[in-house]
Amino acid sequence: DAGVIQSPRHEVTEMGQEVTLRCKPISGHNSLFWYRQTMMRGLELLIYFNNNVPIDDSGMPEDRFSAKMPNASFSTLKIQPSEPRDSAVYFCASSLGQREKLFFGSGTQLSVL
Amino acid sequence: RKEVEQDPGPFNVPEGATVAFNCTYSNSASQSFFWYRQDCRKEPKLLMSVYSSGNEDGRFTAQLNRASQYISLLIRDSKLSDSATYLCVAISGAGSYQLTFGKGTKLSVIP
Repeated sequence: DAGVIQSPRHEVTEMGQEVTLRCKPISGHNSLFWYRQTMMRGLELLIYFNNNVPIDDSGMPEDRFSAKMPNASFSTLKIQPSEPRDSAVYFCASSLGQREKLFFGSGTQLSVL
Repeated sequence: RKEVEQDPGPFNVPEGATVAFNCTYSNSASQSFFWYRQDCRKEPKLLMSVYSSGNEDGRFTAQLNRASQYISLLIRDSKLSDSATYLCVAISGAGSYQLTFGKGTKLSVIP
């Protein structure tokens, strides 16, 4: 079975540019999570969806960040405009339910210059 | 106060040693607990769930102490391949949903 699939694996961009990260959850999973990981702050939950509906976006840093889940098999996280402090590894994870174990994608290493 | 706290380490132990990590959580409504393992530059991967009665998987033993609000992970007969960062997770039960990762404990097993 394919796991959670994220793209791109690496993204290098200049400050001010728009960045779009993509995620395909495991088929049949109802919950999808976007995380950001840095050395200083560890894993931070940005937003999660349950049955394609955003449930909690309180972790989204500011209005520059937005996330969508148009269907059960696809989600995007967009940063516009990007800033150097957004540089981090962004993980997508999915689970069968909100209180079930999470399966992570390989992550997107984002570098904003 | 961070809701899930772990000793960041690093724990440097020789091969064959037994090592234990603790993780404390502040939300008394937490119901589900897991240990994840994260290798350098990789994604976190589920190591094991933590059950109320404690559970074992080979060299790994996980325990839950609800009274003191902590979970533990014991690794026996450490292998070089156990070197990684170990993250604990607490998920709340009924009511307001909350899923929180600890920042991880780094383990280095030395030859």
